[in-house]
Amino acid sequence: GESVGLHLPTLSVQEGDNSIINCAYSNSASDYFIWYKQESGKGPQFIIDIRSNMDKRQGQRVTVLLNKTVKHLSLQIAATQPGDSAVYFCAEKRGGYQKVTFGTGTKLQVIP
Amino acid sequence: KAGVTQTPRYLIKTRGQQVTLSCSPISGHRSVSWYQQTPGQGLQFLFEYFSETQRNKGNFPGRFSGRQFSNSRSEMNVSTLELGDSALYLCASSLAGGSNTEAFFGQGTRLTVV
Repeated sequence: GESVGLHLPTLSVQEGDNSIINCAYSNSASDYFIWYKQESGKGPQFIIDIRSNMDKRQGQRVTVLLNKTVKHLSLQIAATQPGDSAVYFCAEKRGGYQKVTFGTGTKLQVIP
Repeated sequence: KAGVTQTPRYLIKTRGQQVTLSCSPISGHRSVSWYQQTPGQGLQFLFEYFSETQRNKGNFPGRFSGRQFSNSRSEMNVSTLELGDSALYLCASSLAGGSNTEAFFGQGTRLTVV
C-alpha cells in the first residue's frame, strides 16, 4: 500500500497568511521526500525536495521540514498567494530509483 | 528548452479496444516514468524506463505495457480497455535514473473509455 498520506484533504488560508501542509509517512527506507503542486489540467510540478538525512530545506517562499522521529513531513508556504491554489502532494523515492510514490493530496484554497 | 510532451492530450476509446500513448522527454533525459491518476486511486506508478530497459514496474495488470526507444521517447500501451482505465496518464522524465534527480511531468493524456 501507500507509504505516504496526508492529514487533511482541504486547507483554506487567507491571502498573505502562511500555509502549512502536513504529511505522514510509514517507510523509513525513503531516500528523498518531495513536494509537488498540481494545478487543474496540468501535471505535477516539483516544488522542493529533501534528502532523508536532512531536517530542513528552504526554497523561495517554501520550507520543507522532516521529522524522522515521528515520520512527519511538512511544507510551509510563506505569504500565500492566489497562484498557490492547487493540490499539493507529498511523495517519496527510495532504492535509488526514479519511482515516485505519491500521497493522496491536499487541496489548498487561497481566500483573497 | 521544451518540456515533457505527451500526445495525444485527449482520447476517447471503446471498451475492448487498445490504445497507445506517447511521451517525448526533455532533451537529454534518459529516464521516463509513467503514472496513472484517478480520483479514487490518486497517482499510481506504472513503470519506469531507463536506456530502453524497464527498471521498475507498479502493480498493474499485464494489459499495461510500455517501451522506450533509443532516442528516449517512450510509449505505453493498454490493451483490452476497461471502463476503469479511464484516467489521466502522466509521463515524467529525468536526467538520470537515480532518486536524486528531479522528475519533470508532462501535462498528461486524458483517456476516457466508454
